[in-house]
Amino acid sequence: SQQGEEDPQALSIQEGENATMNCSYKTSINNLQWYRQNSGRGLVHLILIRSNEREKHSGRLRVTLDTSKKSSSLLITASRAADTASYFCATDAYSSASKIIFGSGTRLSIRP
Amino acid sequence: GAVVSQHPSRVICKSGTSVKIECRSLDFQATTMFWYRQFPKKSLMLMATSNEGSKATYEQGVEKDKFLINHASLTLSTLTVTSAHPEDSSFYICSAHRLAGAYNEQFFGPGTRLTVL
Repeated sequence: SQQGEEDPQALSIQEGENATMNCSYKTSINNLQWYRQNSGRGLVHLILIRSNEREKHSGRLRVTLDTSKKSSSLLITASRAADTASYFCATDAYSSASKIIFGSGTRLSIRP
Repeated sequence: GAVVSQHPSRVICKSGTSVKIECRSLDFQATTMFWYRQFPKKSLMLMATSNEGSKATYEQGVEKDKFLINHASLTLSTLTVTSAHPEDSSFYICSAHRLAGAYNEQFFGPGTRLTVL
């Protein structure tokens, strides 16, 4: 079964705007990761945030983690058409650190 | 980063046949690999954990006799979909686990699209 839920399920914004996606999970974790997937393609790893970290940046990406609320957010700033994809959060199970469970995903569309 | 390959990338087969999908870690050894299935516009669902030299661990609801997993070496795991039916049509993705200190690193293959006619 899936560990987390993502919200929104789908998001459509104008190019140049910021996109925020949220992820909630259920159990304690060691780390949380965000992935991107273009339609029909494999996964691209975006960023990993450890359970003792609260915020992490990578280029136009900003990830936050609130372990007390069991939630994370992914912010993409100054969106581009090429950012159109599905975005998934993924958590490892604290009791089985090698097993990764994916959230339900957010389908992001960037309008030119 | 580490590279994981899958073969084939795409396969079309007739209903009732068996299909084998390979997952290889190309530049590291993986004692643990994972198999996921993804239906259109859905998320990845973990099917099973493949352990080198031992039996795979299947997630609840996944039929072990339907999806045979073999992890014969530290760089290769195979998933065989037996007696495939149209409802088995899906995108199958593997990942390989590499231990990096205390942290979990997984590297994903590019996926295999299975279409059962």
